[in-house]
Amino acid sequence: AQKITQTQPGMFVQEKEAVTLDCTYDTSDPSYGLFWYKQPSSGEMIFLIYQGSYDQQNATEGRYSLNFQKARKSANLVISASQLGDSAMYFCAMNLRGSQGNLIFGKGTKLSVKP
Amino acid sequence: EAQVTQNPRYLITVTGKKLTVTCSQNMNHEYMSWYRQDPGLGLRQIYYSMNVEVTDKGDVPEGYKVSRKEKRNFPLILESPSPNQTSLYFCASREFRGRKDTQYFGPGTRLTVL
Repeated sequence: AQKITQTQPGMFVQEKEAVTLDCTYDTSDPSYGLFWYKQPSSGEMIFLIYQGSYDQQNATEGRYSLNFQKARKSANLVISASQLGDSAMYFCAMNLRGSQGNLIFGKGTKLSVKP
Repeated sequence: EAQVTQNPRYLITVTGKKLTVTCSQNMNHEYMSWYRQDPGLGLRQIYYSMNVEVTDKGDVPEGYKVSRKEKRNFPLILESPSPNQTSLYFCASREFRGRKDTQYFGPGTRLTVL
């Protein structure tokens, strides 16, 4: 069975600094996708970034990058130049390609950006 | 603007009173699904649909029904709501483009069943 582990319940970062949110995953399937979502206090789930298991390069989307280390089964999210608006819950998720598309989510990390 | 919309955003109802949460997407995606989010349990998939008239159960389908009569709409139906269905509900729409797989979520519906 697939599993996502986020070991940091909460993190603080100073505004304008970079921060890394950890995510490890477990699957025996060779074809999968990894996702990061942001959930602000208002509740919506905002898609940030996607990494396919066969992608050779780390995904980047603006200030977000995904540090994909396949052998370690880790998919850490790096946020550069943190902003106050980055304060939110962040969820790592995965699914299997060609599957029902069911996203398996981690428990999340609450990020607080300090001015 | 590409988006997934849900209505209502907030709903308080009583046990046994049938309700429908609507979901609509304007991206022409074939795949849509419903999730619920509960403290300590995270997000869990309720139902999904691979295309029009094709639906299937997710991990927690009990007490829910869905239909997919047209591509853009995927309503979630609670025929006899119970307090354990109090939750935050999300509709999601999935896109495959080349090697990229993306799931976009609606804004969520906060449901309270008294």
